[in-house]
Amino acid sequence: EIVLTQSPGTLSLSPGERATLSCRASQSVSNSYLVWYQQKPGQAPRLLIYGASSRATGIPDRFSGSGSGTDFTLTISRLEPEDFAVYYCQQYGSSPPWTFGQGTKVEIK
Amino acid sequence: EVQLLESGGGLVQPGGSLRLSCAASGFTFSCCAMSWVRQAPGKGLEWVSVVSGGGGSTYYADSVRGRFTISRDNSKNTLYLQMNSLRAEDTAVYYCSRNRGTGWQYYFDYWGQGTLVTVSS
Repeated sequence: EIVLTQSPGTLSLSPGERATLSCRASQSVSNSYLVWYQQKPGQAPRLLIYGASSRATGIPDRFSGSGSGTDFTLTISRLEPEDFAVYYCQQYGSSPPWTFGQGTKVEIK
Repeated sequence: EVQLLESGGGLVQPGGSLRLSCAASGFTFSCCAMSWVRQAPGKGLEWVSVVSGGGGSTYYADSVRGRFTISRDNSKNTLYLQMNSLRAEDTAVYYCSRNRGTGWQYYFDYWGQGTLVTVSS
């Protein structure tokens, strides 16, 4: 089972600032099969990025993903008020179990 | 528009059973593998189980194997999760999700709003 570790646990930033979130895997993720989700309080997760760097339908271009192997990054170029949320990474490079990181909370500074 | 609507959650005593349902619409249900993902209060996401589009193949997380059974009825566009021998640590919001990908390499592109299961005496 691949363990995903996200850092930092909490990111305190102001609107307009750049956010950089990290997701590190305990072993190489095949084909860069890694996704990012956004979750707001009381809501279901929403798919942002798949295949490490492809934006899902309707996701603004201020969200970008990068990385390969064991190190992946989600970048939000300029934070909008609606971007303050918890972000999870998930790997799908192997057959189940599919695993999630523990989450990074992006909060308003 | 893809819609997933869970139901069946509630309060159950330890050792009890519960059956969750997820009604799907807006896509060809039989095309897609479907999963249950849960989230304990204040915690992160945990994948629970997946069933193939035809219903013939399933996988489970170690934490629920032998106690939970996933199934689907493609004629009713509905996904199920039968939960037996429930424990306090099964308390969570349970999300139904559509799987995207190939060859058992799946992520979750659509999610329901979730249904809360509380296991307590």
